[in-house]
Amino acid sequence: EAQVTQNPRYLITVTGKKLTVTCSQNMNHEYMSWYRQDPGLGLRQIYYSMNVEVTDKGDVPEGYKVSRKEKRNFPLILESPSPNQTSLYFCASSLVGNQPQHFGDGTRLSIL
Amino acid sequence: SQQGEEDPQALSIQEGENATMNCSYKTSINNLQWYRQNSGRGLVHLILIRSNEREKHSGRLRVTLDTSKKSSSLLITASRAADTASYFCATAVYSTLTFGKGTMLLVSP
Repeated sequence: EAQVTQNPRYLITVTGKKLTVTCSQNMNHEYMSWYRQDPGLGLRQIYYSMNVEVTDKGDVPEGYKVSRKEKRNFPLILESPSPNQTSLYFCASSLVGNQPQHFGDGTRLSIL
Repeated sequence: SQQGEEDPQALSIQEGENATMNCSYKTSINNLQWYRQNSGRGLVHLILIRSNEREKHSGRLRVTLDTSKKSSSLLITASRAADTASYFCATAVYSTLTFGKGTMLLVSP
């Protein structure tokens, strides 16, 4: 089954404790992206990757890092999380960037 | 930079009625896509309309695109309670997809 898998689905953590949210897709998609969704602000893009070893900033990259060492994986790293990064995060993938995206089920992150 | 803006922000209708949502955007686009999100879940792609197309259908969905007005509409005919969700338009410019803030649709039995 074609899918984008994010882990963990829920996480409560504390300020400053490094965390990684993993994302994996099994569709051989070249394009992957991370979004955060906040009430009243819709979906905002954090980072995207057009292919292996190619990443670029989206609209709200501050405080986040990504890497794309393999085609299927695109982890999101918060090196020093802060409470304003409490949000619902989605990973998505597509063949290329302007084509329909497949979304993961989301990761709800709470940073205290 | 948020490109698409949906209107209305919220819509409440009865089962069997039609639901229309609109999306306006600011710059030239390659295509426009509509997505649906059930409460707190991942977005699901519904339909894509290219910039050189004016109308597209998929089941009970009808999408129109007016590039001169930089606007699109999504019509859901004969709505069902299961259509209750948030609907987002997303505009594609080169390799980037930008989402609007969404329309919350409530369909009451």
